[in-house]
Amino acid sequence: TAGITQAPTSQILAAGRSMTLRCTQDMRHNAMYWYRQDLGLGLRLIHYSNTAGTTGKGEVPDGYSVSRANTDDFPLTLASAVPSQTSVYFCASSSSGGARDEQFFGPGTRLTVL
Amino acid sequence: GQNIDQPTEMTATEGAIVQINCTYQTSGFNGLFWYQQHAGEAPTFLSYNVLDGLEEKGRFSSFLSRSKGYSYLLLKELQMKDSASYLCAVTDSNYQLIWGAGTKLIIKP
Repeated sequence: TAGITQAPTSQILAAGRSMTLRCTQDMRHNAMYWYRQDLGLGLRLIHYSNTAGTTGKGEVPDGYSVSRANTDDFPLTLASAVPSQTSVYFCASSSSGGARDEQFFGPGTRLTVL
Repeated sequence: GQNIDQPTEMTATEGAIVQINCTYQTSGFNGLFWYQQHAGEAPTFLSYNVLDGLEEKGRFSSFLSRSKGYSYLLLKELQMKDSASYLCAVTDSNYQLIWGAGTKLIIKP
């Protein structure tokens, strides 16, 4: 079982360009999440989805958008990238989004915005 | 505001025991997680505590005191492969995970 996959593994992007980070899970989990991880800071939640068809904003949603058309896929789009969006992005999923649900993480996408 | 504090870095010797502390101040509490993250890799689940006390799982144990807003992760019989960052995270009243910055553990032979 693949678990969660993310693409691309890494990307260098010019400021002002748009980009979509892909995330797919095969565990039939209802809840999915996008985090960014920056040196010296904890993981910060960008957007989440508790079930297909619904999304919500996390701690740092500005400049990002998501969609959840089906259970498996949860793409993250940067409409117009800025250098402060340089980070490692992790997609995660959990069974139902409940308090005790373990989150499973994808391998991450390392994004550099120049 | 919400805050999770952990030491930035710790060093320990192979075969020894190390305790990594975590203190938290969050809006509500619905449990505390510990995750392990090797350099360049994704975080992986280690433990979950929601009631006070010690949960033991092999060489790893996790302790929680809700009244003190405090947890620790205890690693016994340290191995070189335990060199990693250890992330503390609390589920708040909105069922969102609030993450600490992580503790980088360096194991020396």
